Amino acid sequence: GESVGLHLPTLSVQEGDNSIINCAYSNSASDYFIWYKQESGKGPQFIIDIRSNMDKRQGQRVTVLLNKTVKHLSLQIAATQPGDSAVYFCADSSTDSWGKLQFGAGTQVVVTP
Amino acid sequence: GAVVSQHPSRVICKSGTSVKIECRSLDFQATTMFWYRQFPKQSLMLMATSNEGSKATYEQGVEKDKFLINHASLTLSTLTVTSAHPEDSSFYICSAYTTGGVSEKLFFGSGTQLSVL
Repeated sequence: GESVGLHLPTLSVQEGDNSIINCAYSNSASDYFIWYKQESGKGPQFIIDIRSNMDKRQGQRVTVLLNKTVKHLSLQIAATQPGDSAVYFCADSSTDSWGKLQFGAGTQVVVTP
Repeated sequence: GAVVSQHPSRVICKSGTSVKIECRSLDFQATTMFWYRQFPKQSLMLMATSNEGSKATYEQGVEKDKFLINHASLTLSTLTVTSAHPEDSSFYICSAYTTGGVSEKLFFGSGTQLSVL
């Protein structure tokens, strides 16, 4: 992902609505993409991943979309719950340096009742 | 599932002292571990790649003499912040992976909050 310094966008979502979080990446060689959730004072928690040979992947209540043409990644969370409130990061990596992640700037998701 | 343990979770030290942070893979062997730093409201920035039995590979702009990494065994990597200063105050996170290229096998520690007074 592209990390842009001090800016941490915030997405306010009403409980039960769907959330869409967007991310841009810059490395054309990246072929592996992951979404993480981070709660305050904790390490990143894996949500879902996708490889470059796919453009969509679904998990439990989450869907990741990948657009390689414009180097864009999105995470959709269905029926957002209060427990989904956290900071969400995308990260990208490449096969030849697996595990070495470039994180995006992050999006703060706030779920309101 | 596999777990990466990081210790301590929080440390406060005086300026000029050194602090060691441990990253352990609890039920798998990790030939490679990664160290990240995260400032408040910012993203995780990769500092270095820790390789068991060899020197760490540092990212551009990270001082290797300042942030000493030792990966002496397949289950332990340590990051020592030498002569810490207030600007080193940050959240430090490690990650490790088992063999294979599936994200479920890449695990993060719970992080260490370093505060330098």
